[in-house]
Amino acid sequence: DGGITQSPKYLFRKEGQNVTLSCEQNLNHDAMYWYRQDPGQGLRLIYYSQIVNDFQKGDIAEGYSVSREKKESFPLTVTSAQKNPTAFYLCASSPPGAKAHYTEAFFGQGTRLTVV
Amino acid sequence: KQEVTQIPAALSVPEGENLVLNCSFTDSAIYNLQWFRQDPGKGLTSLLLIQSSQREQTSGRLNASLDKSSGRSTLYIAASQPGDSATYLCAVFRDDKIIFGKGTRLHILP
Repeated sequence: DGGITQSPKYLFRKEGQNVTLSCEQNLNHDAMYWYRQDPGQGLRLIYYSQIVNDFQKGDIAEGYSVSREKKESFPLTVTSAQKNPTAFYLCASSPPGAKAHYTEAFFGQGTRLTVV
Repeated sequence: KQEVTQIPAALSVPEGENLVLNCSFTDSAIYNLQWFRQDPGKGLTSLLLIQSSQREQTSGRLNASLDKSSGRSTLYIAASQPGDSATYLCAVFRDDKIIFGKGTRLHILP
């Protein structure tokens, strides 16, 4: 079945550590996104990528880094510079549309990151 | 800057009632609009996608409408059931951006 796989489902980080969240898709989509969701808040965009080896900062990129070495994979690293990383992280992908419009979004099941 | 607002933020209704969730956006030059459902601790599940040339979409008990000129979309749920309890989010697409509302938390009372 085609879809987006995020792993792990739960992740615990000690203060000062970097951790990497995995996102893999087999939908052959060009665009991939990382969002952060906090209780009672909407989704906030961290980073997005429209093509391999290229990515752009979203609204809250500080303390995060990404790579896009393969079309299928868009890992997110939460660095020690991110002071409040406890949140629910969602990865999404989108197929290309005409004239660089993106048409619909598909989501993974999320990773819940907790700082201990 | 495009902003997406969903009203109400939370809603409780008795089982069996029909209900409407609202989504408004400030810039009418959107491409598509998508409605999602999110259960606690889970990812987003797509419910309906309304493409730019369409005015509504239907799936089972769900009907979504889109009026780009007024910057509004509604999600109509008929004959609500306890299993419909979840958070419902709308998202608008423009250029390379996907912008989400904060969602409406729906509770169907048995």
